[in-house]
Amino acid sequence: AQSVSQHNHHVILSEAASLELGCNYSYGGTVNLFWYVQYPGQHLQLLLKYFSGDPLVKGIKGFEAEFIKSKFSFNLRKPSVQWSDTAEYFCAVSPPIGNMLTFGGGTRLMVKP
Amino acid sequence: ETGVTQSPTHLIKTRGQQVTLRCSSQSGHNTVSWYQQALGQGPQFIFQYYREEENGRGNFPPRFSGLQFPNYSSELNVNALELDDSALYLCASSTSSGSSYEQYFGPGTRLTVT
Repeated sequence: AQSVSQHNHHVILSEAASLELGCNYSYGGTVNLFWYVQYPGQHLQLLLKYFSGDPLVKGIKGFEAEFIKSKFSFNLRKPSVQWSDTAEYFCAVSPPIGNMLTFGGGTRLMVKP
Repeated sequence: ETGVTQSPTHLIKTRGQQVTLRCSSQSGHNTVSWYQQALGQGPQFIFQYYREEENGRGNFPPRFSGLQFPNYSSELNVNALELDDSALYLCASSTSSGSSYEQYFGPGTRLTVT
């Protein structure tokens, strides 16, 4: 069975600080990897995804993530956060066949202006 | 906003009762997945419907059941409600059940079981 761990449950940063959110997954084969974001009062939406190819993936709003296969990790990064990045961030995986998602527990990010 | 809608927005039920939650998928989408998100946790996959057939199921008991209709809208039914069923129930639709197809999430239905 797949599982996803997000190590940071709550992160507080000041504007312009750099962000890195950790995500590790457990699965015996190939997986597809995702980061979703949920802004206050809004739907879950996709930030970025990795299926294959370049392990450094760029998403919307300046976010990027790096897939490190040897570490089973897919950490999310942003060089300079803004107040509007305040949200909850979820890492997720899906098997190579089918798009059913297994989510991590989420990281709640607060950016102070 | 996505084109996925869910009803009702909020619901309060008593332990032992039954509940039906509804989801309208985005136009052109034939696959609907349901997730349960307990407070402070990430969403957990319940099941998926593709062209009116169940296409995969997570670790949920049989009292969680579903339907998909010819217009690809879907229902989630939960029988014999338990207190632990209190959660946000999310519906997501996609154009297919294939791995490369992005899921679009609805706003959720918050169920409280007392």
